[in-house]
Amino acid sequence: SQQGEEDPQALSIQEGENATMNCSYKTSINNLQWYRQNSGRGLVHLILIRSNEREKHSGRLRVTLDTSKKSSSLLITASRAADTASYFCATDEEGGGADGLTFGKGTHLIIQP
Amino acid sequence: GAGVSQSPSNKVTEKGKDVELRCDPISGHTALYWYRQSLGQGLEFLIYFQGNSAPDKSGLPSDRFSAERTGGSVSTLTIQRTQQEDSAVYLCASSLLRDEAGGYEQYFGPGTRLTVT
Repeated sequence: SQQGEEDPQALSIQEGENATMNCSYKTSINNLQWYRQNSGRGLVHLILIRSNEREKHSGRLRVTLDTSKKSSSLLITASRAADTASYFCATDEEGGGADGLTFGKGTHLIIQP
Repeated sequence: GAGVSQSPSNKVTEKGKDVELRCDPISGHTALYWYRQSLGQGLEFLIYFQGNSAPDKSGLPSDRFSAERTGGSVSTLTIQRTQQEDSAVYLCASSLLRDEAGGYEQYFGPGTRLTVT
């Protein structure tokens, strides 16, 4: 089963509004990462938050991590049409489990101009 | 600087044929990863290289899949006797070497779209 589960699966908002995406996971982690994917091809790394961090900012992005609830959120403020993409959370599992990241199925975000 | 490159970008092959996919990671990145993404799905982890060695090959879907990395750089993913369910986008990523604190952000290539007819 998927380690990371994003919620919602799809989100459509007006340009300028804020977009919030959530991610839940099951195991203990070293870190959690968010990626963006355009047009079903290569992924772009957005932000990495380590298990001992609770919040991190990068430009218009804000990520929170709650290890007690095994959940994370990605907030994009003042959305732009160019933010239209699929967003994935990915977990780096603790304890040398999978050596690769475990991805969820993603949230497809559409920004209406 | 140059990012991760993959070739070919698209590959159409007949069922039963072998295919070889190539990944050229970012220079200096010791860790290399292969993932597979089926239509509308998240990424499925296949295999990880630390230098030239792959500590765990259990993520490969079947024994028709194999991967190697030579010289700590270029990697190839080979699928023998391809099946229609192998159709997917195959993504390669590289990063700095994992340490006891875990991994680092991964840099992805553009992927190879494989279609098995």
